[in-house]
Amino acid sequence: NAGVTQTPKFRVLKTGQSMTLLCAQDMNHEYMYWYRQDPGMGLRLIHYSVGEGTTAKGEVPDGYNVSRLKKQNFLLGLESAAPSQTSVYFCASSYLAENQETQYFGPGTRLLVL
Amino acid sequence: AQSVTQPDIHITVSEGASLELRCNYSYGATPYLFWYVQSPGQGLQLLLKYFSGDTLVQGIKGFEAEFKRSQSSFNLRKPSVHWSDAAEYFCAVGAYNTDKLIFGTGTRLQVFP
Repeated sequence: NAGVTQTPKFRVLKTGQSMTLLCAQDMNHEYMYWYRQDPGMGLRLIHYSVGEGTTAKGEVPDGYNVSRLKKQNFLLGLESAAPSQTSVYFCASSYLAENQETQYFGPGTRLLVL
Repeated sequence: AQSVTQPDIHITVSEGASLELRCNYSYGATPYLFWYVQSPGQGLQLLLKYFSGDTLVQGIKGFEAEFKRSQSSFNLRKPSVHWSDAAEYFCAVGAYNTDKLIFGTGTRLQVFP
């Protein structure tokens, strides 16, 4: 099992450009999450999904969109990147959250917006 | 609202010394509590978790944590730190039948030889 993988590992964007971050998991998990990590802020939830075809907003959803067309994939989109979106992005997945199953994290995507 | 506080931003210890990282939470119901570790340039790895039962929880890499309801705390401990333990540690809280975890801001651990 590869677990949770993220593509790309690192990216530089110019302000206003768009991009999509891909998260894939091979553990048949229902729940998937996108976080951003900033110094002194810990991890903050951007969006999450409780199953294929469903998405929901987290703590800091503005400027991002997500899609979960396949159970194993969770895409995070930036339509018009801003310097404030410079961050490290982590994807995570878990079984049903009913019993707060453990979240498994990907290695992260480091994004720099100039 | 749920919240997690890790009062120590940065801790430095000598190799072989004991370690305690503090975590305080705020939540009205019974919390589910987690400790994650993040090595430089890596994702987060689960160290241990508390759902119910014995309040002293054993984790990987020789770590343990104790849930103290009266103090709303879930402190992480290790009796003898190794240089490879240098990393950032995150405490997180969740609850039954909710979708999300709330993370603390993290404690960076530095280990001197």
